[in-house]
Amino acid sequence: RKEVEQDPGPFNVPEGATVAFNCTYSNSASQSFFWYRQDCRKEPKLLMSVYSSGNEDGRFTAQLNRASQYISLLIRDSKLSDSATYLCAVNRVAPGAGSYQLTFGKGTKLSVIP
Amino acid sequence: EAGVTQFPSHSVIEKGQTVTLRCDPISGHDNLYWYRRVMGKEIKFLLHFVKESKQDESGMPNNRFLAERTGGTYSTLKVQPAELEDSGVYFCASSQDTGIGGYTFGSGTRLTVV
Repeated sequence: RKEVEQDPGPFNVPEGATVAFNCTYSNSASQSFFWYRQDCRKEPKLLMSVYSSGNEDGRFTAQLNRASQYISLLIRDSKLSDSATYLCAVNRVAPGAGSYQLTFGKGTKLSVIP
Repeated sequence: EAGVTQFPSHSVIEKGQTVTLRCDPISGHDNLYWYRRVMGKEIKFLLHFVKESKQDESGMPNNRFLAERTGGTYSTLKVQPAELEDSGVYFCASSQDTGIGGYTFGSGTRLTVV
């Protein structure tokens, strides 16, 4: 089982739609959680951190459920510019190294259609 | 503030040749990371420097890969000799703290071994 799993999509949604992405992680020692956005042939860019209390940034809402080891991202009122691949990432201390290591899912591709 | 800079952006080499990738982190960031994305796979951790010291190199695939960070500023990642399976995008990232809050990635070096 992969450490971080996401539905690869693609998700094709019309402009203005609401879309939700889910991600599960297997390592209960994971300590911090993120959503990254990656445009085609570009680097991943941090979209938002994810907290247990849930957090919102404009049209984007992220949620963490530690008990279920589940992370979600909700995008409301989708824009054409939201088309990208969304990567779930979890951070944990690497065994024996004492430093943090980020583990990514393969990403979920979103296409917002006019 | 300049971001994480990587050079070259693209490299095409023949199997058996040597390639050196360079990363300049954000100024003042002690933590520097190398990640790699092979086609069709998720982004994977390679190693982590704190200043000039290798804190965690558990993700390095084999001894054909050598990373250095002399003086604790920029870092190089050398692949010698390159194999076909080394093709992918190599990302560098840096952070001021331990990385628990996420990183800033460079735009990556796309390596193609033919």
